[in-house]
Amino acid sequence: QKEVEQNSGPLSVPEGAIASLNCTYSDRGSQSFFWYRQYSGKSPELIMSIYSNGDQEDGRFTAQLNKASQYVSLLIRDSQPSDSATYLCAVNTGNQFYFGTGTSLTVIP
Amino acid sequence: GAVVSQHPSRVICKSGTSVKIECRSLDFQATTMFWYRQFPKQSLMLMATSNEGSKATYEQGVEKDKFLINHASLTLSTLTVTSAHPEDSSFYICSALQGAQIYGYTFGSGTRLTVV
Repeated sequence: QKEVEQNSGPLSVPEGAIASLNCTYSDRGSQSFFWYRQYSGKSPELIMSIYSNGDQEDGRFTAQLNKASQYVSLLIRDSQPSDSATYLCAVNTGNQFYFGTGTSLTVIP
Repeated sequence: GAVVSQHPSRVICKSGTSVKIECRSLDFQATTMFWYRQFPKQSLMLMATSNEGSKATYEQGVEKDKFLINHASLTLSTLTVTSAHPEDSSFYICSALQGAQIYGYTFGSGTRLTVV
C-alpha cells in the first residue's frame, strides 16, 4: 500500500466551478499535510499546509483534514484556467516526507 | 519565505560527459536537502537525501557512483551526473527544509537535463 494515494485524474471542471482534489494516507501517526501545485515543466510550489482536523482557508483554496478517516482534500473555489496544473498531496510522518503521484486538473474556459 | 535557488535551469550535454547541478538555500541554512528526478507526466521520485557534512543517503535503485552528491555547506548541495547517457535525460529538482519537517519543503526551480 502506498503511503499517500491520489486519483491521477485528469479532473476537468468548467471555469468558475469548485474543483475538489482528494488524498488518503496510510499512517495514522502522520503529523502534517501539504498541497503543492506543479505547472508543466516547473517545480512544485507549496500552496497549503494543514496540521489539525477541520478546514484551513487561504483565498480561493480550502484544505480539509480528517485524521479519523485519514483523508485530506483541497477545494479550489471559482476555478480559473490558470489553476490548471498537477496538484501533489504530501504527508509528513515522523522523519519521512511522502508525496502522492499527483492529480492533473484542467479548468475549461 | 524560504527561497531555494537551483542552477542551471537547462543543460544539454554530450553522452559520456558529466554535469553538475547546484542547489542553494538563499535565506536560510539547510542541514538536509533532497534530490528528486521527474520523467515527463510522472510523479516525483526521491533519489537521495543530502546531509551537510556527511554522506548522502540514496534511495534503492539509485546508483551512488553515477549520481554524486556533495553537501559541503549549510547552504549548498550539488548533484553531479557522471558519464551521462540519454536515459539520464530528465527533470532534476532539489528541495530543502527550513526548520522542522512539519513546515514542508521548499523546492528549487528544477534543472532540465538533456543528454544527446
